[in-house]
Amino acid sequence: DVVMTQSPLSLPVTLGQPASISCRSNQSLVYSDGNTYLNWFQQRPGQSPRRLIYKVSNRDSGVPDRFSGSGSGTDFTLKISRVEAEDVGFYYCMQGTHWPPWTFGQGTKVEIK
Amino acid sequence: EVQLVESGGGLVQPGGSLRLSCIASGFTFNNYWMSWVRQAPGRGLEWVANIQQDGSEIYYVDSVKGRFTISRDNAKNSLYLQMNTLRAEDTAVYYCARGQWLGNWGQGTQVTVSS
Repeated sequence: DVVMTQSPLSLPVTLGQPASISCRSNQSLVYSDGNTYLNWFQQRPGQSPRRLIYKVSNRDSGVPDRFSGSGSGTDFTLKISRVEAEDVGFYYCMQGTHWPPWTFGQGTKVEIK
Repeated sequence: EVQLVESGGGLVQPGGSLRLSCIASGFTFNNYWMSWVRQAPGRGLEWVANIQQDGSEIYYVDSVKGRFTISRDNAKNSLYLQMNTLRAEDTAVYYCARGQWLGNWGQGTQVTVSS
């Protein structure tokens, strides 16, 4: 199984400042079709998860442009350009290249300092 | 608007069974894979199972193989998860999600396995 490792696991941030979450896989996530199936999800307190980013860098509909995804191969990053109060919660990466199973990272808790 | 509404959760004793349902609306259900993902209390997300559009491909996480069965009824826009021989470690919120890449999620249904 592909292991997804996120860091940090806890990220205190100041409102208006940038934030960055790293996600690494133990094998390349490039699929045979040339795509890289790495997604990012947000889970606000008390809510269901919501997909933010698919295939590394594509924002889902309605996702603010302060969220961006980047990376390749085994190293990926989710960036929030200016953190807002509504961004508090957990963030998970997930790979969909080597399946089954589809695997998630452990999650990163973003909180306001 | 895509909507996924789960139901069927509850409290069950170890060894018992439950059947979860997910009713979908706002999209052409039979065009999409569908998935179940769970979240144990205070823990992260775990993919459980998914099913191809016509049910011809089905996959499970190892920990539920032989105990859980995913199915769908495209005429009813519905996804199911039959859970047998439940264990305490199956206690979680179970989410229905659209597609292999989990583009939309339901609100979840709580399953508690306890004596």
